[in-house]
Amino acid sequence: GAGVSQSPSNKVTEKGKDVELRCDPISGHTALYWYRQRLGQGLEFLIYFQGNSAPDKSGLPSDRFSAERTGESVSTLTIQRTQQEDSAVYLCASRVGLAGGLRSTDTQYFGPGTRLTVL
Amino acid sequence: ILNVEQSPQSLHVQEGDSTNFTCSFPSSNFYALHWYRWETAKSPEALFVMTLNGDEKKKGRISATLNTKEGYSYLYIKGSQPEDSATYLCASSINTDKLIFGTGTRLQVFP
Repeated sequence: GAGVSQSPSNKVTEKGKDVELRCDPISGHTALYWYRQRLGQGLEFLIYFQGNSAPDKSGLPSDRFSAERTGESVSTLTIQRTQQEDSAVYLCASRVGLAGGLRSTDTQYFGPGTRLTVL
Repeated sequence: ILNVEQSPQSLHVQEGDSTNFTCSFPSSNFYALHWYRWETAKSPEALFVMTLNGDEKKKGRISATLNTKEGYSYLYIKGSQPEDSATYLCASSINTDKLIFGTGTRLQVFP
């Protein structure tokens, strides 16, 4: 079946502009994650959605970052007033997940990422 | 704070060589350890999920072991091929659904 898809694949923007990144998870996956990888650094957790629970926003680096998810489908990550340090590859992942916040060892399936460059 | 470390940072080997790299993580409150392979311009691909101390998993020429008491996992590649060239990421989770990733080991296999 179709994997996780992300758009755009590449985005170049000017400092101060807003950008919106999109993630389409695997159908039926209730858990969705956003990560980013800046040059020379590891994958950094940003935000996690699980079903209808309140999202875990603990990884968002500033209030310029926000994300939404419509039900158990598409998610958008918005970065307002972009800064050069926001340049990174932004990855989305989805997982089957379990209801009620139970722990799971289910694999996270990643999209190909959006490479964001802020000039 | 969960700190996951990987070594070496990068590795260059000749085709046919066997190689291994290390992932270390805090052993307290351990829940699961994940290995991913991330090729340039592609999605990270899941290799293994390991939960039990002493676990050993194998996928073709790639295998991994887990020691939860001392907090480390090894990934082995037997008879490396150029197509094995990628960044290998490990990630650990503790009592949550969040994965904390290491910075990865970048492997290049030369023909």
